[in-house]
Amino acid sequence: GAVVSQHPSWVICKSGTSVKIECRSLDFQATTMFWYRQFPKQSLMLMATSNEGSKATYEQGVEKDKFLINHASLTLSTLTVTSAHPEDSSFYICSARVLGAGNTIYFGEGSWLTVV
Amino acid sequence: DQQVKQNSPSLSVQEGRISILNCDYTNSMFDYFLWYKKYPAEGPTFLISISSIKDKNEDGRFTVFLNKSAKHLSLHIVPSQPGDSAVYFCAAKSGTYKYIFGTGTRLKVLA
Repeated sequence: GAVVSQHPSWVICKSGTSVKIECRSLDFQATTMFWYRQFPKQSLMLMATSNEGSKATYEQGVEKDKFLINHASLTLSTLTVTSAHPEDSSFYICSARVLGAGNTIYFGEGSWLTVV
Repeated sequence: DQQVKQNSPSLSVQEGRISILNCDYTNSMFDYFLWYKKYPAEGPTFLISISSIKDKNEDGRFTVFLNKSAKHLSLHIVPSQPGDSAVYFCAAKSGTYKYIFGTGTRLKVLA
């Protein structure tokens, strides 16, 4: 399967600061990338869908000014959590759809964010 | 409004037996369904998928069945192995490449 890499795997930041999470497709071009958030023992909650070169589409209830998504190239999307608060602590996972190759999406390893 | 539901939060199966994980959905516009396996603190790993125009897809020990009239799909794992112990998520795709995930079922395969 296609390889999607996320970085960092773990990050701790202070309240009020911003933190950036990168999602890279390593061996394919990804026209569409997705950002999910997972709370303990819950499902994956879609936050936003990003297409290369255009603005991300955010799901209802997700603050676009707080969760900045940039998809500058076909292999990289970034999620920046701005002015982080402890309630933003969560497991963030990105996924990507292979350009021109079907409907399967492949996930990164996920990033644990802890805001203290 | 949970469009994709996995009503069994957990399932225990003896090694070598069949594991059946179920998933129900409400949106008839879903056209593609996927199953993922997830370990704690890791991203989901793709297992198998099925298009809405099919009713069965098989890949090794994994078979997915789709019953469109009942809006139900299931994942069969046979024979089950201890390494299959994980959380399994079903997902459904709408035409706009929006993927909705179920709440997951924790499978425990007993040796």
